[in-house]
Amino acid sequence: DAGITQSPRYKITETGRQVTLMCHQTWSHSYMFWYRQDLGHGLRLIYYSAAADITDKGEVPDGYVVSRSKTENFPLTLESATRSQTSVYFCASRRQGSPTNEQFFGPGTRLTVL
Amino acid sequence: AQSVAQPEDQVNVAEGNPLTVKCTYSVSGNPYLFWYVQYPNRGLQFLLKYITGDNLVKGSYGFEAEFNKSQTSFHLKKPSALVSDSALYFCAVHRDSGNTPLVFGKGTRLSVIA
Repeated sequence: DAGITQSPRYKITETGRQVTLMCHQTWSHSYMFWYRQDLGHGLRLIYYSAAADITDKGEVPDGYVVSRSKTENFPLTLESATRSQTSVYFCASRRQGSPTNEQFFGPGTRLTVL
Repeated sequence: AQSVAQPEDQVNVAEGNPLTVKCTYSVSGNPYLFWYVQYPNRGLQFLLKYITGDNLVKGSYGFEAEFNKSQTSFHLKKPSALVSDSALYFCAVHRDSGNTPLVFGKGTRLSVIA
């Protein structure tokens, strides 16, 4: 049971390049989320999705694009990477139904933008 | 809008002593409250949650948390700390209505000293 996986685990890129971070979950959870973790800010929500083809902005969506064509995948794209997007990115998923269900997190992707 | 405050960036405690990691929240409506733990280079792991009922909630690894509605707090506790408890701890809150994402605090780093 793989659960929720992210790839790549580490990525170094240059300013202006497009980068896509992948997230895959094997539970068929309806909800999926992207967070970024930065020192002093904790976890901040970038985008989330309630189901395939349904996405919503979170707290810090600028500079990011998401899609959800399949329930199990939720890629996050940085269209033109900036240094301020250097961060650790976490994907998470949650079962449909009550918000009392906990979120499950992937291992994270450490992104460095030079 | 819901919010979470973790007033301490760092908590230090001696092994064997009791530990407390503080969390206060602000929501309109009934809160659903969660604690997560993050070990180095790992994703977040669910520890425990309060939905309704008994104000003292027991979770994984011997942790418990006390919900206090009048003080809008949900402090994480453990009677006897272990060195292996050293990690980053996040409190999170949900409003009781709607399938909105969790809102996380900034995290508290716990160091247990042998």
